[in-house]
Formats: sequence, structure tokens, C-alpha cells
Amino acid sequence: DAGVIQSPRHEVTEMGQEVTLRCKPISGHNSLFWYRQTMMRGLELLIYFNNNVPIDDSGMPEDRFSAKMPNASFSTLKIQPSEPRDSAVYFCASAMPSSYNEQFFGPGTRLTVL
Amino acid sequence: AQSVSQHNHHVILSEAASLELGCNYSYGGTVNLFWYVQYPGQHLQLLLKYFSGDPLVKGIKGFEAEFIKSKFSFNLRKPSVQWSDTAEYFCAVNARAAGNKLTFGGGTRVLVKP
Repeated sequence: DAGVIQSPRHEVTEMGQEVTLRCKPISGHNSLFWYRQTMMRGLELLIYFNNNVPIDDSGMPEDRFSAKMPNASFSTLKIQPSEPRDSAVYFCASAMPSSYNEQFFGPGTRLTVL
Repeated sequence: AQSVSQHNHHVILSEAASLELGCNYSYGGTVNLFWYVQYPGQHLQLLLKYFSGDPLVKGIKGFEAEFIKSKFSFNLRKPSVQWSDTAEYFCAVNARAAGNKLTFGGGTRVLVKP
């Protein structure tokens, strides 16, 4: 299995632009998680889905952030408009739905907003 | 809501030294416990996990962790570290009543000097 796939791996954009991050979970995994990692705040859960349905989006910082999972093999995290404080590494992880199952992380997208 | 504390933010030690990283959580119910490792420039990988049974859990690369329920702790240990153990280590807790959502600690950066 290829593992969790994220694209792009690096993104540099200017303030005000729309940014879309993509994630393909491991085949057969029903849960998908979006995290943000910064030096200041560590690893934060933004949102997670079970069976394509958003379960908990309490970590989404504000309305500029949105996430979708149109099918079991694809999810997007969109930031519109982007701001410099959104600069971070964004990780996607997937897991089987049981709480007994570990989350498998993707390689992350390093986002820099100028 | 549960929270996870990792008391050491940075640890520096020499090869062959013993390592112990503290992790405490706050949640009164049943939990699953995890330690993840993030090598420089890489994504998070699972080191070990505890669900039930023997509170002393052995993981990959010679790591082990002990769950002490009365202390709400899940400390990570390795008797003799190597330079390749230089990484950031994250403790994570899943409250079984909360589905498969993980709460991560702030991480501990470990630098092993050759």
C-alpha cells in the first residue's frame, strides 16, 4: 500500500490567495483526519471524518477554513483567503473507524503564506 | 475534554544514555494510549500503543512505555539511545467514548549527541 498520499508537498502562496490541500487515505480506511503543526501550537486536530461525514470540526480555526470528503478516497482542506499565520505543516491521517486502530499519517504539506 | 501534557519540551543526551519521557493525561474514563515519533523532516509514525492488558508495552526500536492508571501516566522509555533516535516524540490519548479522535501532547524534542 502506498500509504496516505498528500499533495502538494510544498506550497508557497501570497496572502489572500486560495489554497487547496489534498489527501488520499489508505484504501479501506473509513476515518480521515486533518492536523496542523506549528512550532507555537504543536499538533492540532482541525477536523475528522468517519465514512465521509464530518464528525468533529471544532478545531477548524475560522470560516476561512473548510474541508470536504466527497468520497472515501479523497479529501480536501481549503483556506480562502489565506493569511501568513496559516503557515504550517498540514498533515492528513487515516484509520479504520475503531478507536483501537492507529492513525497513519501522510508526509504533510508545508504551507508558506507570504 | 481530555488533555495531554508532556513535561519535557527538549531533552539532550548522549548516545547510550537512558531516556524517559513523561506523559500525563486528564480524563476519567477508559483510554487508549499511543506514542508517535517524528524524525526530522518526516511524518509521524507509531512507536507503540496500549489498549488493555499488561501495562508495560513494548514497541519498535527498543522503546517501551508503562501505563500507570493511578497516576494517569504513560511514560516512554529506552534503556540506551542511539543518534538515530533524534526526533520529536508525541504522546496521544484516545478517550474511547470519543470515537477514534486523538488528543496529542505538545511533543518532546530529543537530541542525541554522537
